[in-house]
Amino acid sequence: AQSVTQLGSHVSVSEGALVLLRCNYSSSVPPYLFWYVQYPNQGLQLLLKYTSAATLVKGINGFEAEFKKSETSFHLTKPSAHMSDAAEYFCAVSATGYSSASKIIFGSGTRLSIRP
Amino acid sequence: DADVTQTPRNRITKTGKRIMLECSQTKGHDRMYWYRQDPGLGLRLIYYSFDVKDINKGEISDGYSVSRQAQAKFSLSLESAIPNQTALYFCATSDQGHGYTFGSGTRLTVV
Repeated sequence: AQSVTQLGSHVSVSEGALVLLRCNYSSSVPPYLFWYVQYPNQGLQLLLKYTSAATLVKGINGFEAEFKKSETSFHLTKPSAHMSDAAEYFCAVSATGYSSASKIIFGSGTRLSIRP
Repeated sequence: DADVTQTPRNRITKTGKRIMLECSQTKGHDRMYWYRQDPGLGLRLIYYSFDVKDINKGEISDGYSVSRQAQAKFSLSLESAIPNQTALYFCATSDQGHGYTFGSGTRLTVV
């Protein structure tokens, strides 16, 4: 069965500082991994996805994530935080293939706050 | 127009009432999903459908039912609403499960 664990329900960084949001996954098959962002009063928006190609994945708004199989991790980073990055971020995993296991399982979310 | 449209955006209903949340999409995707979001719990899957004739229960389907009226329409019903069904509900679509497109959500309050 697939699952994700997001370490830290709330992360606060200063504007201009490095953003690091942690995600570890568990999957019985090669996983597809995702990061989604949710701004207040909005739905979720795909930031980036890993689908077994390059292990370093670049997404929108300057975010990137690195797939590390040995550590079962898919941490999200951004070199310099902006105030507009304040949102909730969700890590998610999906098994590959067309089977019913290809539905996506979400982590519990990490709320990112940016200090001026 | 949005790719995935949910109606209503907000709803307050009384305990015991039947309520339907509707979702329509213009993405042309076969797969549609209903999730609920609760603070600290992330999104949990209620039901999903891979085509018009395919309906599957997710991890928290008790108290809910769905109908896939067409490829583009997937509705969620609460037959007899209860207060712990108060949550934010999201519909999503996907192609081959490689990333979802979400609607803007329905905020449901059961009093």
